Amino acid sequence: GENVEQHPSTLSVQEGDSAVIKCTYSDSASNYFPWYKQELGKGPQLIIDIRSNVGEKKDQRIAVTLNKTAKHFSLHITETQPEDSAVYFCASSGNTGKLIFGQGTTLQVKP
Amino acid sequence: DSGVTQTPKHLITATGQRVTLRCSPRSGDLSVYWYQQSLDQGLQFLIQYYNGEERAKGNILERFSAQQFPDLHSELNLSSLELGDSALYFCASSSRPSGAGDTQYFGPGTRLTVL
Repeated sequence: GENVEQHPSTLSVQEGDSAVIKCTYSDSASNYFPWYKQELGKGPQLIIDIRSNVGEKKDQRIAVTLNKTAKHFSLHITETQPEDSAVYFCASSGNTGKLIFGQGTTLQVKP
Repeated sequence: DSGVTQTPKHLITATGQRVTLRCSPRSGDLSVYWYQQSLDQGLQFLIQYYNGEERAKGNILERFSAQQFPDLHSELNLSSLELGDSALYFCASSSRPSGAGDTQYFGPGTRLTVL
């Protein structure tokens, strides 16, 4: 069935370093890949997304890359700040719009 | 603030009871999605409605049902509650009917505790 694997489950970096989170999806029909940030007690907040006709997208310190052949997509955060500390979820969807989420990565940025 | 509202924020109830969770989508959005977030299952899609009609169904239990009203707000009804139903329930909204490739904006969630 549809599945999204996300690694690592926890990630600790020093402030100013980069963080990379990787996801692999199983459904070849997937064509939309959003990333969400979830802070404690809040709902998931979209931070960046990419569609299957694009290989890379960047928004300030955040970038996402997509390799459709390998069914991989990754989130890159540069110059991390303490306020980047949160749980990050990758997701994929195909033609129905139903989002299949990864298990989440808890990112800790140490000052 | 995503513009999606959910009430109540917290709900504590007993096994066997029935509860109703409410969601109002962003202004202009016609699609509403319900997701369940638990520690062991992660974030899982339950059901989608578009303009009052059911569009997609996920791993939603038969004890759970939902509907979308003419004013586009949606309600998720959970009945015969079990301890394992304790979770965060999120509503999301988007503008397109199929939702394919459309950004979904999530509400703050309802935390359900079943004792």
